[in-house]
Amino acid sequence: DQQVKQNSPSLSVQEGRISILNCDYTNSMFDYFLWYKKYPAEGPTFLISISSIKDKNEDGRFTVFLNKSAKHLSLHIVPSQPGDSAVYFCAATSNTGNQFYFGTGTSLTVIP
Amino acid sequence: DTAVSQTPKYLVTQMGNDKSIKCEQNLGHDTMYWYKQDSKKFLKIMFSYNNKELIINETVPNRFSPKSPDKAHLNLHINSLELGDSAVYFCASSQGPHGQYFGPGTRLTVT
Repeated sequence: DQQVKQNSPSLSVQEGRISILNCDYTNSMFDYFLWYKKYPAEGPTFLISISSIKDKNEDGRFTVFLNKSAKHLSLHIVPSQPGDSAVYFCAATSNTGNQFYFGTGTSLTVIP
Repeated sequence: DTAVSQTPKYLVTQMGNDKSIKCEQNLGHDTMYWYKQDSKKFLKIMFSYNNKELIINETVPNRFSPKSPDKAHLNLHINSLELGDSAVYFCASSQGPHGQYFGPGTRLTVT
């Protein structure tokens, strides 16, 4: 049973516009939510996270929004750049960090 | 300096063989993990170790045996390799819930 879901396998965006990647989860006990970026033939790289007690966290061009009532989070990238083209995974975990649950990923293509 | 390293990067072997993948982290993290990324690109947790102690063991065949000689190392040994074991295996480490650091992956091909 998949506890974290990314329903859009791919997304294409023009350079300079906003990219919005979405993620849904089922377990209301998760304490932290994270986004990772993955280039081909490399391991995922941690991008940004948010605690379940917050609804927004921003780091440069990247902002993560959390809607706990809807069990939904999103990653906004503004402005999008060609170098952002990668697969983005969302993940969730408890306070211990003993286990991270990953979504299936969204492949983002930023068109120059 | 590489934070999380894995060796080898590529591994091609025949069915029935036994192989090991090594992982080392120099971040001082307490928790280390093994993930399998299958052909559908889904990242699935296999094992999680905290301070050398096994804490998560998902439904993985007994042919897979992790070993953590110390906090900085988590190796994965696979016995009697099968075609379905072909995948990319990622090692990762973290300190609590604040994001994991992943190794570059080991692409295992069983022929």
